[in-house]
Amino acid sequence: ETGVTQSPTHLIKTRGQQVTLRCSSQSGHNTVSWYQQALGQGPQFIFQYYREEENGRGNFPPRFSGLQFPNYSSELNVNALELDDSALYLCASRRTGTVADTQYFGPGTRLTVL
Amino acid sequence: RKEVEQDPGPFNVPEGATVAFNCTYSNSASQSFFWYRQDCRKEPKLLMSVYSSGNEDGRFTAQLNRASQYISLLIRDSKLSDSATYLCVVLYGQNFVFGPGTRLSVLP
Repeated sequence: ETGVTQSPTHLIKTRGQQVTLRCSSQSGHNTVSWYQQALGQGPQFIFQYYREEENGRGNFPPRFSGLQFPNYSSELNVNALELDDSALYLCASRRTGTVADTQYFGPGTRLTVL
Repeated sequence: RKEVEQDPGPFNVPEGATVAFNCTYSNSASQSFFWYRQDCRKEPKLLMSVYSSGNEDGRFTAQLNRASQYISLLIRDSKLSDSATYLCVVLYGQNFVFGPGTRLSVLP
């Protein structure tokens, strides 16, 4: 197990609603990234947080926002949900600056938007 | 052109076969490379990092060709448990860019 946890595991929402997903990073990791993975596709980078600030963002609209807390845990918020937001949302943590610079994923939150 | 491209798959091979996955990336400034495997409805898990000199881990061999911007993964003596989707991942700055993945099914 990687030590990265996410909650909830599954979620069903309707169009227009808002959702908050949570992630606890692995001990010793200071950087958290969020990804969206649609069925049959690779994960797509949403954004990354380091020292409580967003320091990288993929091609996602502003209704996707996030936070990182002093303990390095993180939240992903999505407003005005659309049907296409249905996907597996993955959180990954790493320790920026390590030689390997590898990241480890949590089990994901499966979001269904009806 | 997508930043990271992979063989479309799926690959269906018998147990014991050798299978090779190919991956190309578009940004020559990328600095680190990885192969992840993802089982159905599970999270991606790091399989191995890829180094310029090539590296081997048991039945798995990864190679990197920076001049051609090409990464490969070779699996020898494939097992039923190798059935999964294999994701090529490239690190650009702070961002990990994933390929679409290639699905492998190892058949008895």
